[in-house]
Amino acid sequence: KAGVTQTPRYLIKTRGQQVTLSCSPISGHRSVSWYQQTPGQGLQFLFEYFSETQRNKGNFPGRFSGRQFSNSRSEMNVSTLELGDSALYLCASSLGQGLSNEQFFGPGTRLTVL
Amino acid sequence: DAKTTQPNSMESNEEEPVHLPCNHSTISGTDYIHWYRQLPSQGPEYVIHGLTSNVNNRMASLAIAEDRKSSTLILHRATLRDAAVYYCILRDVGVKNSGGSNYKLTFGKGTLLTVNP
Repeated sequence: KAGVTQTPRYLIKTRGQQVTLSCSPISGHRSVSWYQQTPGQGLQFLFEYFSETQRNKGNFPGRFSGRQFSNSRSEMNVSTLELGDSALYLCASSLGQGLSNEQFFGPGTRLTVL
Repeated sequence: DAKTTQPNSMESNEEEPVHLPCNHSTISGTDYIHWYRQLPSQGPEYVIHGLTSNVNNRMASLAIAEDRKSSTLILHRATLRDAAVYYCILRDVGVKNSGGSNYKLTFGKGTLLTVNP
């Protein structure tokens, strides 16, 4: 079974631009979560989607948004990029139901904002 | 979310057991204890989880204190490939945010495990 894939793996943008990151979950998984990882703040939860609906949201500004498609693939978008948005963005998928589903993480997209 | 406390770093020798502690004194009855690890340049990887009873799988064992205020991840024979940051996370399966989910993982700083050859 293929794992979680994220594209692109690396991205360089400049301040003020916007960016879209893509995540393909494991086949059969309906939940996709996004996390931001930085050296200073560690791993922080952004949001989670299940069956095309956002079910939970972390404490990030409205510049960070996402969506999920009917095939469970997900995209996250960051508008008006700031230097502090430079980070590793991780996507995780899970079955989405049940009490203790483990999350499977992708390799991440490394975003650098200049 | 209930908080966990872990040592910043630990060191072990190859082929020796490793006991990684985690304190979670404010754990609630609906919190599952999850462990994930992150190898260098990779996304986090699920290791094990439990609620009340000790758990074993092919990767590790999880020992949970009787009062559930602490737990220990046990790697029975450390290898160089086990060098990683280990995260102890409480996941509340009893909380719903008006239709929201309980699949959010709140990561702390974790424990950096160094394995010496």
